[in-house]
Amino acid sequence: RKEVEQDPGPFNVPEGATVAFNCTYSNSASQSFFWYRQDCRKEPKLLMSVYSSGNEDGRFTAQLNRASQYISLLIRDSKLSDSATYLCVVNPPGGFKTIFGAGTRLFVKA
Amino acid sequence: NAGVTQTPKFQVLKTGQSMTLQCAQDMNHEYMSWYRQDPGMGLRLIHYSVGAGITDQGEVPNGYNVSRSTTEDFPLRLLSAAPSQTSVYFCASSYGDPGELFFGEGSRLTVL
Repeated sequence: RKEVEQDPGPFNVPEGATVAFNCTYSNSASQSFFWYRQDCRKEPKLLMSVYSSGNEDGRFTAQLNRASQYISLLIRDSKLSDSATYLCVVNPPGGFKTIFGAGTRLFVKA
Repeated sequence: NAGVTQTPKFQVLKTGQSMTLQCAQDMNHEYMSWYRQDPGMGLRLIHYSVGAGITDQGEVPNGYNVSRSTTEDFPLRLLSAAPSQTSVYFCASSYGDPGELFFGEGSRLTVL
């Protein structure tokens, strides 16, 4: 089993739709969690951290479920500009060997 | 704002050649790391450093060396390039949690 797993997609959604991605992790002692966005042929960029209490940033909501060992990202009112690959990131115990998921591709269409 | 700067952006090598990918950051970050990204596999950690003089191996360190003589610079050396090292390489740095990374623009390496 991979340490961090994501559905590769692609997710094809119309503008204005709500879309959600999940990411599962195998190490229950993992310490911190993040979502990154990566545009085609560009570097990844931090989208948001994922806190135990959940957090929201505009149209984006991230949640952590430690009992089931997954994190989620919800995007409301999708925009064309949201089209990208979304990477799930987990910090294992020890905290230095950050692990990336393979990413979920999102296409938002007019 | 320079952030994390990687050079070169593109490189073609022949099998057996050696080269160094340069990475520099101007944010005074203690943590720096190198990743490679291959299709369908996500980013995999090669080496990382928690400060000048301190480096450690990541998930896929074989065939690569690093050093950290200053806080700013973290070069990645390919000792004897192999076609399996054809990839996109990203350098990143962090001021706090190693999961909160700032990335360079990447270096695309092809080994023939």
